[in-house]
Amino acid sequence: GQQLNQSPQSMFIQEGEDVSMNCTSSSIFNTWLWYKQDPGEGPVLLIALYKAGELTSNGRLTAQFGITRKDSFLNISASIPSDVGIYFCAPRANFGNEKLTFGTGTRLTIIP
Amino acid sequence: DAGVIQSPRHEVTEMGQEVTLRCKPISGHDYLFWYRQTMMRGLELLIYFNNNVPIDDSGMPEDRFSAKMPNASFSTLKIQPSEPRDSAVYFCASSVGKTGTGTEAFFGQGTRLTVV
Repeated sequence: GQQLNQSPQSMFIQEGEDVSMNCTSSSIFNTWLWYKQDPGEGPVLLIALYKAGELTSNGRLTAQFGITRKDSFLNISASIPSDVGIYFCAPRANFGNEKLTFGTGTRLTIIP
Repeated sequence: DAGVIQSPRHEVTEMGQEVTLRCKPISGHDYLFWYRQTMMRGLELLIYFNNNVPIDDSGMPEDRFSAKMPNASFSTLKIQPSEPRDSAVYFCASSVGKTGTGTEAFFGQGTRLTVV
């Protein structure tokens, strides 16, 4: 079966620092999504990527769909306290098949 | 606009009891998903429906788990009998099935199930 690796598992940073996380897979995907989950809440969609090589920004967030279609990264610039949470990549294999596979998550903690 | 609504938010039950989790998807969404989240296994897709029809239930762990969607605005996930290892947060999500247009899955707040 497909393997989906998300790294790092956790990050401890100071406010104002930039953050980078990524997901890699042994399989090819047609869509890469990035979600954020706050404590006690469900995941919320941050960015959606639909084309290989696509680079998309949403405020301080930037994500790219790898050219091989097997990976994606998410960057957060100038982190702020509300960025704390767990970030998940969620790729999808086929258009028309809505099934998402979620990465293991990256837990972001901001040190005062 | 109301999001995905799940009930109850918290459920504590004794082993062997039947548990029913409920979900109201966003109006107009034609896909509904049930996920389970645990520390050990992360977010796992249990089952999803399209237009009220189950499409893929390969993630349902055992016959003790069943899910129904009697109409477009309501779905249930039932565990009978429940076991302590079923303790987890169960999420319902819904989406419109047109990819590439930003209509990806919206999640509810989840039901935290504890089986003692």
